[in-house]
Amino acid sequence: QQQVKQSPQSLIVQKGGISIINCAYENTAFDYFPWYQQFPGKGPALLIAIRPDVSEKKEGRFTISFNKSAKQFSLHIMDSQPGDSATYFCAASLAGGYQKVTFGIGTKLQVIP
Amino acid sequence: GAVVSQHPSRVICKSGTSVKIECRSLDFQATTMFWYRQFPKQSLMLMATSNEGSKATYEQGVEKDKFLINHASLTLSTLTVTSAHPEDSSFYICSAGRGRGVDEQFFGPGTRLTVL
Repeated sequence: QQQVKQSPQSLIVQKGGISIINCAYENTAFDYFPWYQQFPGKGPALLIAIRPDVSEKKEGRFTISFNKSAKQFSLHIMDSQPGDSATYFCAASLAGGYQKVTFGIGTKLQVIP
Repeated sequence: GAVVSQHPSRVICKSGTSVKIECRSLDFQATTMFWYRQFPKQSLMLMATSNEGSKATYEQGVEKDKFLINHASLTLSTLTVTSAHPEDSSFYICSAGRGRGVDEQFFGPGTRLTVL
């Protein structure tokens, strides 16, 4: 059972454009939604995260939009740069304690000059 | 801070042999470590959660006798793939928990295992 569904699986964006990755979750017990960035041959690194009590969180060029009623959330990368080319994973977890993270399938983003 | 290392970064072995992968938290103590497996172009799947000094908790469908996990200290956890077969070839990633929150989990760089 795929608890976190992510789309698209691949995305090509021109430099300066907006990259948008969408995710949906099923388990309403999830209350922490991180996004991870992974470069080839490396482990994922936490990029930005949101809790369901807010509808949007912005950090630099990265913004998470969250729709609790629809059980959907998305990552927007503004002014996309070639250095943003990586695989992005949305994820979900419970906020408290040593909770495991459930990952989406990942989106391979390529930003072309 | 919050650096997690894995060793080796790549390993190639023959079918039937055992391979040990180390995960170390370099600048913090990690009470809990997690082991993930990632197939090409797929997501990370949690294999097991290990707590220092106690037995690991394995996810459903993961063979505990095949994937031996030892969390001997607050900075070291090891994953041993026993009697490896080609289908065990994968990218194995650990994460270490510096605190209780998910945002306090830090991932290692991964180990690419290829079984011939």
